[in-house]
Amino acid sequence: QQQVKQSPQSLIVQKGGISIINCAYENTAFDYFPWYQQFPGKGPALLIAIRPDVSEKKEGRFTISFNKSAKQFSLHIMDSQPGDSATYFCAATAGYNFNKFYFGSGTKLNVKP
Amino acid sequence: DAGITQSPRHKVTETGTPVTLRCHQTENHRYMYWYRQDPGHGLRLIHYSYGVKDTDKGEVSDGYSVSRSKTEDFLLTLESATSSQTSVYFCAISRDSNQPQHFGDGTRLSIL
Repeated sequence: QQQVKQSPQSLIVQKGGISIINCAYENTAFDYFPWYQQFPGKGPALLIAIRPDVSEKKEGRFTISFNKSAKQFSLHIMDSQPGDSATYFCAATAGYNFNKFYFGSGTKLNVKP
Repeated sequence: DAGITQSPRHKVTETGTPVTLRCHQTENHRYMYWYRQDPGHGLRLIHYSYGVKDTDKGEVSDGYSVSRSKTEDFLLTLESATSSQTSVYFCAISRDSNQPQHFGDGTRLSIL
């Protein structure tokens, strides 16, 4: 049973457009929600993270929107650039559980020039 | 970048042979994790450690074992490699609960 469901599997966006990736979870004990960015041949790198006491967090062009009642969270990339082309993973964890992360299956983003 | 070194970075071996992958950290973080990454499956947890000699199974632990004799080193062993274990393996570390995990650059393992 997949703890975190991510969509879409792949995404094509024009340069300057908005990229939106969605994740949903079931476990209400989850209390930390990070997003990771991965380039080919490299490990995932932390992009931005949110805790459930806020509904939105913004860092530069990247924004997480969090809907606790719907158990959903999403990543918005504003003014998408070709350099943003990568695979993005959402994740969730519950603090009591040895900080084990449950990852979504990933979204491959292609930003066309 | 977090000080995480995975070795080897690439390995090709034959079915039935033992394989050990090493993860070395210089951050003195408490938690260490081994994941495998396969297309369409994201990152799946194999084993994790919450201290020296303290380890436990993740969701895909069959056929794998781990050891952590020092804070800085976490070893993943495939006792008898099978072709289904061909994958990219990532090590991650975390300082504490509700903190980010930081990843190494992975080991690409091919089992023929």
